Amino acid sequence: AQRVTQPEKLLSVFKGAPVELKCNYSYSGSPELFWYVQYSRQRLQLLLRHISRESIKGFTADLNKGETSFHLKKPFAQEEDSAMYYCALLTGGGNKLTFGTGTQLKVEL
Amino acid sequence: EAGVAQSPRYKIIEKRQSVAFWCNPISGHATLYWYQQILGQGPKLLIQFQNNGVVDDSQLPKDRFSAERLKGVDSTLKIQPAKLEDSAVYLCASSSTPDVRAGQFFGPGTRLTVL
Repeated sequence: AQRVTQPEKLLSVFKGAPVELKCNYSYSGSPELFWYVQYSRQRLQLLLRHISRESIKGFTADLNKGETSFHLKKPFAQEEDSAMYYCALLTGGGNKLTFGTGTQLKVEL
Repeated sequence: EAGVAQSPRYKIIEKRQSVAFWCNPISGHATLYWYQQILGQGPKLLIQFQNNGVVDDSQLPKDRFSAERLKGVDSTLKIQPAKLEDSAVYLCASSSTPDVRAGQFFGPGTRLTVL
């Protein structure tokens, strides 16, 4: 069965420090993964997708099939990065997302 | 472009009562999703519509939950009767195609508290 694990409920870093939000998955098929973000009082929105190999707001994520991971990274955290981050795995032939439990990132001054 | 609209934003009911949530997707979006997000968990897909047809309702507790999208635009999600464990945020999302890769747009959610 498909599963997404985000081991940290809360990650607190200082402004300017590197950030790594962990995501591990379990899936028998070919994985496609996404990161979604929800800023305070805003709607859940897509941050990035692994297949695009893009960098959004300074964040990147690389799919590591050997370690079944899709960690989200940013070299220098900014205050505006404080938010809830969800890792999600695409299943069901492209029309179903399985979400992790989320990690609250808090960037302190 | 207006986003996905949901109402009400908050609802408090007692167990065994009924409740209904409404969602208006982005204009032109044929695919509509309802998710349940229990506190401390990620969103869980309850049902997906393509126009007015159901694509996936495998995780919808059909003994008490029902959803419809009669004209292929607005949708309602109903719980009857509600249980304590139904307390959650109910998210509606829409997309232009059934393929999630194209992007989903989420509404603000309805926070349900069952006492």
